[in-house]
Amino acid sequence: SQQGEEDPQALSIQEGENATMNCSYKTSINNLQWYRQNSGRGLVHLILIRSNEREKHSGRLRVTLDTSKKSSSLLITASRAADTASYFCATASGSARQLTFGSGTQLTVLP
Amino acid sequence: DSGVTQTPKHLITATGQRVTLRCSPRSGDLSVYWYQQSLDQGLQFLIQYYNGEERAKGNILERFSAQQFPDLHSELNLSSLELGDSALYFCASSVAAATYEQYFGPGTRLTVT
Repeated sequence: SQQGEEDPQALSIQEGENATMNCSYKTSINNLQWYRQNSGRGLVHLILIRSNEREKHSGRLRVTLDTSKKSSSLLITASRAADTASYFCATASGSARQLTFGSGTQLTVLP
Repeated sequence: DSGVTQTPKHLITATGQRVTLRCSPRSGDLSVYWYQQSLDQGLQFLIQYYNGEERAKGNILERFSAQQFPDLHSELNLSSLELGDSALYFCASSVAAATYEQYFGPGTRLTVT
């Protein structure tokens, strides 16, 4: 079963604009991770934010986490055509060692 | 390139058959995870092995089984295949048994006809 719901399901923007994707989850978590998947390929880990962190940056990526609302957002600044991909949030909770993935946001960046 | 390798890349087989998918984790990673990605179910965790031992089980069917060998490579065996088993099967690895970031292989696309 999928823990996370991602919003929007699809997002189309122009190159240079910022893209924001949201993720909501249901249970308490140890950490939340974001992954990118290019069409039909494997997932690439982007960033991990722990449950006691509120914001994290990595290059053009900014992730926020609000554990009280059980939600996270991923902001990609100054988007590029190469950012076109599906983006998934994944949660790790309790003693579970596996990741539970959201449904994903399909981002299209138009040149 | 994540350093995780999976073979074969594509597999086409008939219903009722049995197939084996193979995964080699990144050098130094002891933990291997298997995931299934399909259009209707999304990305689902199947099973995890750590240093040869099963550590966690997800939505894995009884027709599916896996193992991790002493050299740490892993195999996922799918038997009595059904049309609904058609999916992308990913292997991922991580350093430890606890959930840190995982490194995914390119996947095996299984088509059951």
